[in-house]
Amino acid sequence: LAKTTQPISMDSYEGQEVNITCSHNNIATNDYITWYQQFPSQGPRFIIQGYKTKVTNEVASLFIPADRKSSTLSLPRVSLSDTAVYYCLVGLYNFNKFYFGSGTKLNVKP
Amino acid sequence: NAGVTQTPKFQVLKTGQSMTLQCAQDMNHNSMYWYRQDPGMGLRLIYYSASEGTTDKGEVPNGYNVSRLNKREFSLRLESAAPSQTSVYFCASSERHEKLFFGSGTQLSVL
Repeated sequence: LAKTTQPISMDSYEGQEVNITCSHNNIATNDYITWYQQFPSQGPRFIIQGYKTKVTNEVASLFIPADRKSSTLSLPRVSLSDTAVYYCLVGLYNFNKFYFGSGTKLNVKP
Repeated sequence: NAGVTQTPKFQVLKTGQSMTLQCAQDMNHNSMYWYRQDPGMGLRLIYYSASEGTTDKGEVPNGYNVSRLNKREFSLRLESAAPSQTSVYFCASSERHEKLFFGSGTQLSVL
């Protein structure tokens, strides 16, 4: 499975837009890109998934360039409650194994 | 609709003791997973079950066994607990591997 690289941590302020980039240089043709959010003492929660171009839902947007070697999770107007660890996963759509990296710890300040 | 339920939430074991972590999902998902998360680290896959009756190893299977009892239940067993197995254990389920739903975790300490 493609290995992913994310920044270890990021700081932001309430109301700002936050962009977290994930590198996955070895992504395969059939791989999808999925992002999860994890709060302390909780299991990760699915945020968004995409294959190419742009995907948007009520929580976030996911931007994927044409070469698909990276992706960017965009969180609009973050609040204190968005303080969490964000994981980028890359894996074959019909493949059983999903491997998590170390994630990006986002700290939102007032 | 409870989603993924894990029991127990907390457990303390002595080295060499055995125990089974239970996981059940009520979403009729085919696939179920066990992960462990050490402090400050990401999740590591221990075992997974693509469908009822099948199981396969993940990244860190040593020291663990699993049983897919039926479509709803997937248990993780530690036969002889070691301090290195002190961690938070998460169970997850998914349908067609598209989206993982996680339980609230079991915090295990091995003394």
